Amino acid sequence: EAGVTQFPSHSVIEKGQTVTLRCDPISGHDNLYWYRRVMGKEIKFLLHFVKESKQDESGMPNNRFLAERTGGTYSTLKVQPAELEDSGVYFCASSQVNLRLYPYNEQFFGPGTRLTVL
Amino acid sequence: QQPVQSPQAVILREGEDAVINCSSSKALYSVHWYRQKHGEAPVFLMILLKGGEQKGHDKISASFNEKKQQSSLYLTASQLSYSGTYFCGTAKGNAGGTSYGKLTFGQGTILTVHP
Repeated sequence: EAGVTQFPSHSVIEKGQTVTLRCDPISGHDNLYWYRRVMGKEIKFLLHFVKESKQDESGMPNNRFLAERTGGTYSTLKVQPAELEDSGVYFCASSQVNLRLYPYNEQFFGPGTRLTVL
Repeated sequence: QQPVQSPQAVILREGEDAVINCSSSKALYSVHWYRQKHGEAPVFLMILLKGGEQKGHDKISASFNEKKQQSSLYLTASQLSYSGTYFCGTAKGNAGGTSYGKLTFGQGTILTVHP
């Protein structure tokens, strides 16, 4: 079974430019999460989709960040315009929505996209 | 509020044991442990639930003290492959809550195992 995949693995952009990150969750996983880790700090929650609906976007830093999950499959996270403080590693994770498994719904993480804003 | 992990870093020789702690000031429902190697995805290790149930790795054990709101991860007879950064993630809420599944992570504990 394929794991969570993310694209690109690295992105280097200049301040003011736009970047779009993509996440493909494990097939059949309705829960999709975005997290971010800024260098040396903790992994911080950004938002949570259940299928195509935003369940919780309380962690989104500001309106420069836009996440979508059209059709309830892959998700994109767009940063526009990018600022220096947006640099970090962006992780995507997915899990099943299955009350028979709950609460053992472990989240499976992708390898992350390392974003550098110069 | 994020949980606090201790220690921040541990250096071991193969075969030695280590304990990593994760404490929260808020009531918890579950604690999730992950290990991340540099440049790779965080890998799930364990889930511990309020009430004592757990699910996870065969060679790694953990505990959850509900009274203290603390979890400890026990790494015994460490191997070189155990090296990496260990994160605890805490969750509150339940299947009916809007924050279902959202994890709040500690700052990480860097574990280095030498031959």
